[in-house]
Amino acid sequence: NAGVTQTPKFQVLKTGQSMTLQCAQDMNHEYMSWYRQDPGMGLRLIHYSVGAGITDQGEVPNGYNVSRSTTEDFPLRLLSAAPSQTSVYFCVALGDYGTEAFFGQGTRLTVV
Amino acid sequence: AQSVTQLGSHVSVSEGALVLLRCNYSSSVPPYLFWYVQYPNQGLQLLLKYTSAATLVKGINGFEAEFKKSETSFHLTKPSAHMSDAAEYFCAVSPKTGANNLFFGTGTRLTVIP
Repeated sequence: NAGVTQTPKFQVLKTGQSMTLQCAQDMNHEYMSWYRQDPGMGLRLIHYSVGAGITDQGEVPNGYNVSRSTTEDFPLRLLSAAPSQTSVYFCVALGDYGTEAFFGQGTRLTVV
Repeated sequence: AQSVTQLGSHVSVSEGALVLLRCNYSSSVPPYLFWYVQYPNQGLQLLLKYTSAATLVKGINGFEAEFKKSETSFHLTKPSAHMSDAAEYFCAVSPKTGANNLFFGTGTRLTVIP
């Protein structure tokens, strides 16, 4: 009953470092998304994927890359971390136009 | 583009009082609509969803929401607030066409006063 597994749960980076947030799902959902959550701004869509090999930008894509080589995995890469990327990140697997949404546990990222 | 507006970033109610959290959407075609709750340091939990069936939707923990097309609204209510309802609440929309994504409002933090 894993659902969406997101790692790590906490991370501290120095400005300029790179890292990958991992996300894996075992429900065979085609749609997956990455969001960031900031106080007073709700959750904003970073990137999404409609299936293996297909990704697209969301509302706030700058500074992030994604890939989708398999249905299960949807990693989010920060190429050169900036303090503005300090946030809580959620990976989500969606079914049936959002009527089913499965959230990862979240990653609290701090960039110093 | 889909968008959702939550009026009031903070709402305070007394324990036992009515809870009313407001949400309006902007879309030419009524989308699917959702309310999520987030307790401190936790992820999001679905409270209820509207998927074009009954306009009055009942969710968990005694919450309900009514879809009003004429007002483009989907306000969340609970007749009697409990201390355990203190949390942040997010309204979200999903279009019925195109990419399968959720678009969230900015959230409303509910405080319950004993």
